[in-house]
Amino acid sequence: AQKVTQAQTEISVVEKEDVTLDCVYETRDTTYYLFWYKQPPSGELVFLIRRNSFDEQNEISGRYSWNFQKSTSSFNFTITASQVVDSAVYFCALITSFSYDKVIFGPGTSLSVIP
Amino acid sequence: DTEVTQTPKHLVMGMTNKKSLKCEQHMGHRAMYWYKQKAKKPPELMFVYSYEKLSINESVPSRFSPECPNSSLLNLHLHALQPEDSALYLCASSHELQASPFFGSGTQLSVL
Repeated sequence: AQKVTQAQTEISVVEKEDVTLDCVYETRDTTYYLFWYKQPPSGELVFLIRRNSFDEQNEISGRYSWNFQKSTSSFNFTITASQVVDSAVYFCALITSFSYDKVIFGPGTSLSVIP
Repeated sequence: DTEVTQTPKHLVMGMTNKKSLKCEQHMGHRAMYWYKQKAKKPPELMFVYSYEKLSINESVPSRFSPECPNSSLLNLHLHALQPEDSALYLCASSHELQASPFFGSGTQLSVL
């Protein structure tokens, strides 16, 4: 079975705090791709990152960083020095070689950054 | 151009109306998708087109009818919808299946 779990339904932080959004995935495939998307109140799903299962290097992009650990089937997302513009729903997602035409989304984490 | 453009942004329709949602991309992507998203839920896949051919229909009711006139356009024809069909309808495209889908900003549909 393929599944993505985001245990944090809602998170509130004060501006400039760091925040980590958790993502745990399940798949029996050895080839798969993990994604993070941001959905601000405007509705558009904004692509943030894609990782394939053979690349466990962590990645940093500005204030964003991602920690991919196959041993724990996790792909966590950290925002450093959060800003009000980071307020959004964040979705972790999975594509596997078995369900290559279907993005499997987690339930999402709603992040509120309070000024 | 790295955008997926959807029109209209908002649509209100009665249960007897016929309307269409439109989606356009000029990134040369060969896979296009329709998703439905209810409030506070993740998007749910409805249809997938690959090289202009329908490859996936996720058991969507026939009152939703997709059409892919060419590699850049994707339409979703709506007829005799129900109030429970009110949702955000998102179009996406990707270079190919399994590549990173890029999403449009969606059409917020209300069925009265």
